[in-house]
Amino acid sequence: AQTVTQSQPEMSVQEAETVTLSCTYDTSESDYYLFWYKQPPSRQMILVIRQEAYKQQNATENRFSVNFQKAAKSFSLKISDSQLGDAAMYFCAYRSFPMNYGGATNKLIFGTGTLLAVQP
Amino acid sequence: EPEVTQTPSHQVTQMGQEVILRCVPISNHLYFYWYRQILGQKVEFLVSFYNNEISEKSEIFDDQFSVERPDGSNFTLKIRSTKLEDSAMYFCASGPKGGTEAFFGQGTRLTVV
Repeated sequence: AQTVTQSQPEMSVQEAETVTLSCTYDTSESDYYLFWYKQPPSRQMILVIRQEAYKQQNATENRFSVNFQKAAKSFSLKISDSQLGDAAMYFCAYRSFPMNYGGATNKLIFGTGTLLAVQP
Repeated sequence: EPEVTQTPSHQVTQMGQEVILRCVPISNHLYFYWYRQILGQKVEFLVSFYNNEISEKSEIFDDQFSVERPDGSNFTLKIRSTKLEDSAMYFCASGPKGGTEAFFGQGTRLTVV
């Protein structure tokens, strides 16, 4: 079974600085997806960024980027130029690759989360 | 922008009562999910639903739970006889055919007293 581990329960960053959140996972599969979700105090789950395991290039979305190390099974999230609105719980998640195109999209497996505080 | 909507946002119920949590997925999505998050803990998968049937369920999803898509737009989670430990945030999510992402609703906070 796949597992996702986030070893940093809490992190803190100064506004405008850069912070990196760690995530490791365990799987025997070769194709899969990895995600970072943000959960602000409103508790809604918001997709931040997605990485396909078959892509070597690291995903980037504006100030958010990942460092995907497939061999090490590591998937860290870097937030550049941190803003007060980035303060939230961040969850790393894993999804298996569908067995066939158009097949059932599989469940997400979440880590325990990292609570990010942004200091003004 | 289309979004998943859940009602109610907060429900308080007495132990042993039945509750129905409602979700309206994004209209052209084909895959539907329920997840649960006990306060301070990680998000856990409950069940996935595709082509009018359950495609996968977790150990948490026992006989007390059921899901239904009664009218082609709503997707409901029923808990037949609630327990104190069912108190949690329940998230509905949906995904398109061939898509990789799940889009989450804002959640329903269920409090069992």
